Amino acid sequence: GEDVEQSLFLSVREGDSSVINCTYTDSSSTYLYWYKQEPGAGLQLLTYIFSNMDMKQDQRLTVLLNKKDKHLSLRIADTQTGDSAIYFCAGTRGQGGKLIFGQGTELSVKP
Amino acid sequence: DVKVTQSSRYLVKRTGEKVFLECVQDMDHENMFWYRQDPGLGLRLIYFSYDVKMKEKGDIPEGYSVSREKKERFSLILESASTNQTSMYLCASSAGRGQEFQAFFGQGTRLTVV
Repeated sequence: GEDVEQSLFLSVREGDSSVINCTYTDSSSTYLYWYKQEPGAGLQLLTYIFSNMDMKQDQRLTVLLNKKDKHLSLRIADTQTGDSAIYFCAGTRGQGGKLIFGQGTELSVKP
Repeated sequence: DVKVTQSSRYLVKRTGEKVFLECVQDMDHENMFWYRQDPGLGLRLIYFSYDVKMKEKGDIPEGYSVSREKKERFSLILESASTNQTSMYLCASSAGRGQEFQAFFGQGTRLTVV
């Protein structure tokens, strides 16, 4: 299968929490990343987690890492319409810096 | 501000043309990448360069080549453009090994091959 897999769509109501999930195959990735792409724009790093951590919190964002299951998730608390975007998880393949992305999850936030 | 600049936002080329997509970064990064982005397929790595004149194939290198003669510039070449290469092309750069591999992206080039 693919190195990094995500579901393609998620729809939530404004004020709810969003949880975007990702599974990966290469456990050698030192860091795992979440990138955000707004319409018509390039990707921007949202947050990342070091591979020996289980959780990282950054304001409204919580990243959970389950190394045993090779599962990464991004939780956005109090989701706003401005959070509507495509979210990509990414990791590195092999020992070098080759960065591999998932398919992207399109988050739609309804008022 | 860190910057990755792609030479064109939009390009329209004819089938069979040789196409050059240029990318320049001003962060002195070792790594540079070319991806293509297609709906439902996410970002797929075409080529990766970890140093000047060094390159590695990504997952979909067929029909493409790259050139990195200077550290700041990474060019993607479509040897003979075909309609199935119509896509959004994204360039990125990141610092070298042993560091966080945060990548910085350009705005993308939307290429249409007719």
